[in-house]
Amino acid sequence: AQSVAQPEDQVNVAEGNPLTVKCTYSVSGNPYLFWYVQYPNRGLQFLLKYITGDNLVKGSYGFEAEFNKSQTSFHLKKPSALVSDSALYFCAVRGLNDYKLSFGAGTTVTVRA
Amino acid sequence: NAGVTQTPKFQVLKTGQSMTLQCAQDMNHNSMYWYRQDPGMGLRLIYYSASEGTTDKGEVPNGYNVSRLNKREFSLRLESAAPSQTSVYFCASRVGPLSYNEQFFGPGTRLTVL
Repeated sequence: AQSVAQPEDQVNVAEGNPLTVKCTYSVSGNPYLFWYVQYPNRGLQFLLKYITGDNLVKGSYGFEAEFNKSQTSFHLKKPSALVSDSALYFCAVRGLNDYKLSFGAGTTVTVRA
Repeated sequence: NAGVTQTPKFQVLKTGQSMTLQCAQDMNHNSMYWYRQDPGMGLRLIYYSASEGTTDKGEVPNGYNVSRLNKREFSLRLESAAPSQTSVYFCASRVGPLSYNEQFFGPGTRLTVL
């Protein structure tokens, strides 16, 4: 069975500081990994994905994520956070031969001005 | 392209009432999914349709039924609503069941069961 853990319910950072949202996963075989963002009363928006190849993946709005196979992690990062980055972030994983995407519980990011 | 659309946006039901949540996508995707979102629990898969003509149970299918009406449309039915089904429901679609592409989500339906 596949699963995702987001160990922090909340992350608080000051605007301009680096932002990291943690994610670890468990899957049989190689994974497809995704990050989504949800703004209040909205659906989920895709940020970035890891399929294969380079471990550092760049995505929308200046976000990037690093795939670490040995630590089974896929942490989301942004070098300089903006107040507008305040939202709920979800990590998700799928096995290559699995139809279903499994989501973490989500991390609420608050960026203070 | 409208992407993934869902109706209604909001709904209040009394216990025991039935309703159908509608979902449609205009991206020619083969796979469609229904999730529910509850605080602190992320998104949990209710049912999915890997391709037109097929449907399968997800993690939390009890109390729900689905219909893949055609390639575009995938509906979720609550036959006898219960307060435990109060949630936000999201429909999603993907190019194909084993595609590495991301899923696209609709705006959600906020359902309250009294």
